[in-house]
Amino acid sequence: DTGVSQNPRHKITKRGQNVTFRCDPISEHNRLYWYRQTLGQGPEFLTYFQNEAQLEKSRLLSDRFSAERPKGSFSTLEIQRTEQGDSAMYLCASSKGQGGNSPLHFGNGTRLTVT
Amino acid sequence: EDQVTQSPEALRLQEGESSSLNCSYTVSGLRGLFWYRQDPGKGPEFLFTLYSAGEEKEKERLKATLTKKESFLHITAPKPEDSATYLCAVHPPGYALNFGKGTSLLVTP
Repeated sequence: DTGVSQNPRHKITKRGQNVTFRCDPISEHNRLYWYRQTLGQGPEFLTYFQNEAQLEKSRLLSDRFSAERPKGSFSTLEIQRTEQGDSAMYLCASSKGQGGNSPLHFGNGTRLTVT
Repeated sequence: EDQVTQSPEALRLQEGESSSLNCSYTVSGLRGLFWYRQDPGKGPEFLFTLYSAGEEKEKERLKATLTKKESFLHITAPKPEDSATYLCAVHPPGYALNFGKGTSLLVTP
């Protein structure tokens, strides 16, 4: 169990540019989540995958955000036409099983700064 | 609407000074209450899951308890290495965990 891996750890981009983040979950975990966290706040849910299917998206998720999980393994989160308000820590988490109560295991996040 | 409120926002303790963190919640159909620890620049680290009122779980100096409206994280004789932000999250029906804003704990020698 090598844990959830996220890359890059830090990303600085100019407003209007597109960015893509990658998450490699724990290998036997079929569930994958993306969260966003800003300073002084708890993580905020963005989207959820079970295997390769995207089953839930936050209503707060702008159409500039898109996520994929091809083949039910790693996942990518893309932000198009970035805005300064997108600056945050983007966290990926994974969990195992069919039930709803499995604890989430988080990666150490990608910190995005939009200038 | 599901809500999670943590208090206090920040807490400073001396080493050995026991205290409790509070997590109040309103959720329809609770499927679990989770406590996480988060160190600066890192992702949250899972501590406990509680499912029903009256349940308690312990790990080293930490003990989590649950009632129908709130959960407490008791810290007994804390050490400086317990300094972190402690996050509470609830699992309503659906897939997402809803997190509170956290309590930032500082334990001084």
